[in-house]
Amino acid sequence: EAQVTQNPRYLITVTGKKLTVTCSQNMNHEYMSWYRQDPGLGLRQIYYSMNVEVTDKGDVPEGYKVSRKEKRNFPLILESPSPNQTSLYFCASSLWAGANYGYTFGSGTRLTVV
Amino acid sequence: DQQVKQNSPSLSVQEGRISILNCDYTNSMFDYFLWYKKYPAEGPTFLISISSIKDKNEDGRFTVFLNKSAKHLSLHIVPSQPGDSAVYFCAASGGDDKIIFGKGTRLHILP
Repeated sequence: EAQVTQNPRYLITVTGKKLTVTCSQNMNHEYMSWYRQDPGLGLRQIYYSMNVEVTDKGDVPEGYKVSRKEKRNFPLILESPSPNQTSLYFCASSLWAGANYGYTFGSGTRLTVV
Repeated sequence: DQQVKQNSPSLSVQEGRISILNCDYTNSMFDYFLWYKKYPAEGPTFLISISSIKDKNEDGRFTVFLNKSAKHLSLHIVPSQPGDSAVYFCAASGGDDKIIFGKGTRLHILP
């Protein structure tokens, strides 16, 4: 089944403790992206990747890192999480960059930083 | 500055009636528009899209209308069904690497 898989689905952590949210897609998509969803703010892009070893900042990249060492994986790294990073996170992938190809989203990771 | 605006946070519609969700955009460079649907505890799923060279696109019960002069698009759902209750995101792209999403509209279908 074609899908984007995120792990974990739920995570509660403490301020400053490094964490990684994994994202994997099995569709051989070139483009991958991370979004966060917050009440009243909709979906905001954090980082995206056009291809292996190519990443770029989205609209809200502060406090996050990403890597794209292989096509299928695009982990999101929070080196020192803070409470304002409590949010619902979505990974998405697309065949190519651009809206015409549509995005396939993962099921989301609900992160709470205390 | 919000480039894609969904000014109605929520909308309630009787089952069987038409649901109309609205979206406005400010960037005249946008040339492709999409609607995504999201259920609780799931990721958004693609619903329907429209290119700026068209003014209407239809897929079953779902129709998207685009008014470029007004920078406005709308999603019509006819007839509305209970399974249509969800959050709907309008999104737009200008041919670069990004899709810009609106804040979403929560649609409630009433029995």
